[in-house]
Amino acid sequence: AQSVTQPDIHITVSEGASLELRCNYSYGATPYLFWYVQSPGQGLQLLLKYFSGDTLVQGIKGFEAEFKRSQSSFNLRKPSVHWSDAAEYFCAVGPFSGGYNKLIFGAGTRLAVHP
Amino acid sequence: DAGVTQSPTHLIKTRGQQVTLRCSPKSGHDTVSWYQQALGQGPQFIFQYYEEEERQRGNFPDRFSGHQFPNYSSELNVNALLLGDSALYLCASSLGGISYNEQFFGPGTRLTVL
Repeated sequence: AQSVTQPDIHITVSEGASLELRCNYSYGATPYLFWYVQSPGQGLQLLLKYFSGDTLVQGIKGFEAEFKRSQSSFNLRKPSVHWSDAAEYFCAVGPFSGGYNKLIFGAGTRLAVHP
Repeated sequence: DAGVTQSPTHLIKTRGQQVTLRCSPKSGHDTVSWYQQALGQGPQFIFQYYEEEERQRGNFPDRFSGHQFPNYSSELNVNALLLGDSALYLCASSLGGISYNEQFFGPGTRLTVL
């Protein structure tokens, strides 16, 4: 069965520090992988996605993620965190068969940023 | 472009009642998916509507039902509410078709069951 694991429930970093959020997935084929961000009271915003090709993908707001098939991972990174990055981050895998595009999400990682 | 809109923003119901949540998709989108996000959890897929039919469903009981209208807007209905149905309900819209298309999420409806 497809699943997504985000091992870190909460992460706290200082503003300006680098960030890495971990994501591991279980999926039988080459997955479609996503990172979303959710601010309080807001819906989900897509940060970046991986479908195929270059395993290092760039997203919005200075985020990037690297797909590592051997480790079944898709970790999110940012070289320098801003206070406005404080939010909840969700990794998701998109099973796609027959034209269907539902998403399976991890439990999320809540990011706090210290000034 | 208004994006995906949902109504109401918040809702309080008691156990056993029924509730209807509404979603208007992003302009040009014809597919609507519904997700339930319990507190402290990631969103869980409920079902997806395309061309006014439910075309795939997650692991949710029949108390959860939906509808899609000719203008592609959608409703989520939950009958016989349980305390465990308290959650943020997210609607996402996308383009149907054979290739993957990004889902755009609305702000959600916060349902509290007392």
